[in-house]
This record gives sequence, C-alpha cells and structure tokens, in this order.
Amino acid sequence: DTGVSQDPRHKITKRGQNVTFRCDPISEHNRLYWYRQTLGQGPEFLTYFQNEAQLEKSRLLSDRFSAERPKGSFSTLEIQRTEQGDSAMYLCASKDSTDTQYFGPGTRLTVL
Amino acid sequence: GNSVTQMEGPVTLSEEAFLTINCTYTATGYPSLFWYVQYPGEGLQLLLKATKADDKGSNKGFEATYRKETTSFHLEKGSVQVSDSAVYFCALSDGSGGYQKVTFGTGTKLQVIP
Repeated sequence: DTGVSQDPRHKITKRGQNVTFRCDPISEHNRLYWYRQTLGQGPEFLTYFQNEAQLEKSRLLSDRFSAERPKGSFSTLEIQRTEQGDSAMYLCASKDSTDTQYFGPGTRLTVL
Repeated sequence: GNSVTQMEGPVTLSEEAFLTINCTYTATGYPSLFWYVQYPGEGLQLLLKATKADDKGSNKGFEATYRKETTSFHLEKGSVQVSDSAVYFCALSDGSGGYQKVTFGTGTKLQVIP
C-alpha cells in the first residue's frame, strides 16, 4: 500500500493560465474525492467519484474547474483561466467501502 | 447542513502537559467522527475515529469519545510531546447521503514547547 499520491506537489502559475493536477488513489479504492484547503481553514469538499462516475460536485466548483477519472483509477483536476483566488492546497482522498478517507500530500497552487 | 466547530488556536503547551481540543458538530443522521492531524508541509493523516455514540477512538496516546447527547468529540492527550506540534482537524462523515464527503472544522494549531 503506497498511499494516495498527488502530482505536482507545488505549482506556480500566472493568472489566466490553465493548470492540471493528478491524483493516484490507493489501488483498491473505488471512491475518490477532491478538496480545497486555503490558509488557516479546513479542507472543503469539491467533488466525488465512484469509479469513473462523477456523482457530486460542490457549488465551489465553478465552470472553470473540471475533474475526470476516465478509467476509474487516477483522477485529474483542471483549472482553466486561473485567478488569484484559486491559490490554495488541492487535496485528493480515496476510500473503500469503510468510512475512512485517506488523503494525499496535496498540490499547492500559487497564482501570481 | 453539516458543520464542525472546534476551538480556535493556537494552543501552546509545555511538554508533558495535558491537552484538550474541543470539537462540537451539527449533522443529520448518524455521522462518523474523525480527528485528522496535519504536520508542517504534509497532508492530512487520520489520527483516530469513532463511528457510533459512546465509541472511543484512540491512537498514539490521543483519545476522543463520541458524545451524541452533547454532539461533541473532544480530543485529549495526557502528556504531549514536542513532536505532537501540528494542526488538528475535527471532522465528520455523514453516510446518509451515500457520498460520505467529509466536513472539516477550521483546525487548531498546537505548539508544544520543551
């Protein structure tokens, strides 16, 4: 069990650019979640996949955000036309049929 | 909707002091309750959990008891160490909707000084 991994760990971009993050969940976990964490706050739910199906999206996920999990394994989160307000830590978590989510190390996005 | 309220930090303690971090929650149904810990520069790690009323979760000397009557899940440790310095998040997962997304508190920063 190698845990949840995320890539890249850090991303610095200029306002208006597009960015894409990747999450590799624990291999036997069919449920995958994305969260966003801003400084001094707890993580906030963005979206949820069960296998390849995206079953829930938060109102936080504007039209500029899109997430995919094409084969039910890894997932990507893309932000188009980034804004300074998008600067945050983006966390991925996975779980099996139990109630415990296991988190990756996160991708820290800085939009200049 | 669901919410978690935890005491504001930072909390500064001397080594071997007793720790309490208060957490209360609001939820529909019967949530599972968690404490996660985040060390500097790292992701969230599950510290302990409890899935039903009166359950006690414990790990690494930390304990928390699921109190349905007071909707609380306070974190305690009898003797803290410098290595316990981190941010602690109380959280709940409401399984009633099937998606079980986690709702977090704002976190409490703990600093333990030698």
